[in-house]
Amino acid sequence: DQQVKQNSPSLSVQEGRISILNCDYTNSMFDYFLWYKKYPAEGPTFLISISSIKDKNEDGRFTVFLNKSAKHLSLHIVPSQPGDSAVYFCAASENRGSYQLTFGKGTKLSVIP
Amino acid sequence: SQTIHQWPATLVQPVGSPLSLECTVEGTSNPNLYWYRQAAGRGLQLLFYSVGIGQISSEVPQNLSASRPQDRQFILSSKKLLLSDSGFYLCAWSGGQLNEKLFFGSGTQLSVL
Repeated sequence: DQQVKQNSPSLSVQEGRISILNCDYTNSMFDYFLWYKKYPAEGPTFLISISSIKDKNEDGRFTVFLNKSAKHLSLHIVPSQPGDSAVYFCAASENRGSYQLTFGKGTKLSVIP
Repeated sequence: SQTIHQWPATLVQPVGSPLSLECTVEGTSNPNLYWYRQAAGRGLQLLFYSVGIGQISSEVPQNLSASRPQDRQFILSSKKLLLSDSGFYLCAWSGGQLNEKLFFGSGTQLSVL
């Protein structure tokens, strides 16, 4: 049973436009959410996170939005750059001190120059 | 600065053979250590985590085992590999209370034939 779902396996966006990556979750106990970015042949790297007490967190070109009632979060990248081409994983935990992160399957973003 | 080393990068093993993957962390003490696996078409799955030397927690029943003989060394092992053990294995560490912010190694692509 997938508790964290990334329903789009891939996404293509023109350079300079907005990229929107979506993530849905089913476990209402999740209260901390993260996005990781992964390049081929490398491990994932932490990108941005959000606590359930917020509905938005921004870091430069990256913004994560959380809609708790819909159990949905999204990552916006504006403007998209070719170097953003990677696989993006959504992850969730039941509390910030938890050792258990539940990951989605990932969405492959391709930014076309 | 902290670094994490994981080797080998790729490994091809026959069914029934043993496995040993090693991970070491530099630049930090008493890290939390993790082994994750990404099977084809699936998200990252937590296999084991360790909060200290000799302390191993297993998240899923499986054919694998983990050991932490030293503070910054984490080993993933199997006595007899199965076809289903194929996948991309990632070692990670975290520190302090922010257990969800993981720093991943570059991964090992294991193919069991």
